[in-house]
Amino acid sequence: DQQVKQNSPSLSVQEGRISILNCDYTNSMFDYFLWYKKYPAEGPTFLISISSIKDKNEDGRFTVFLNKSAKHLSLHIVPSQPGDSAVYFCAAQTGANNLFFGTGTRLTVIP
Amino acid sequence: DTAVSQTPKYLVTQMGNDKSIKCEQNLGHDTMYWYKQDSKKFLKIMFSYNNKELIINETVPNRFSPKSPDKAHLNLHINSLELGDSAVYFCASSQRTPNYGYTFGSGTRLTVV
Repeated sequence: DQQVKQNSPSLSVQEGRISILNCDYTNSMFDYFLWYKKYPAEGPTFLISISSIKDKNEDGRFTVFLNKSAKHLSLHIVPSQPGDSAVYFCAAQTGANNLFFGTGTRLTVIP
Repeated sequence: DTAVSQTPKYLVTQMGNDKSIKCEQNLGHDTMYWYKQDSKKFLKIMFSYNNKELIINETVPNRFSPKSPDKAHLNLHINSLELGDSAVYFCASSQRTPNYGYTFGSGTRLTVV
């Protein structure tokens, strides 16, 4: 059973515009959420995270929003840049337990 | 220096063979993991291990076994390889405290023919 879901396998955005990547989860015990970015032939790298006690966390061009009642989080990238083109994985965990990953969304930023 | 390194990067082998994938981390983390990314790109936990406990995902066949000679290494040994084992395997490490992200290796693409 997949506890973390990313229903959009791909997203294309024009350079300079906003990219919004979405993620849904089913386990209400998750208390920490992370986004990872993955380039081809490389491992996922940590991008940004948010605790379940918050609803927003911002780091430069990247902002993660958490809606606990809807069990939904999103990653906003503004402005999008061609170098942002990658696969983005949403992940969630409870306490110190294992990370559960979504299936990823491939973002293409068009110059 | 690479924080989490896996070898080999590519591995092509025949069905029925036994193979190992090595993983080393130089971050001083106390926990290491193996993830499998299948053909649907789903990253699924296989094992987590620190010097106190091994947690095995119950869906992992017992042909897969982690071996940890020390805290900095967690190797993955696979017996009697099957076609369905073809995937990309990622090693990762973390400090096993709440809310601490993982550092991943670059992956090993295993192809069973």
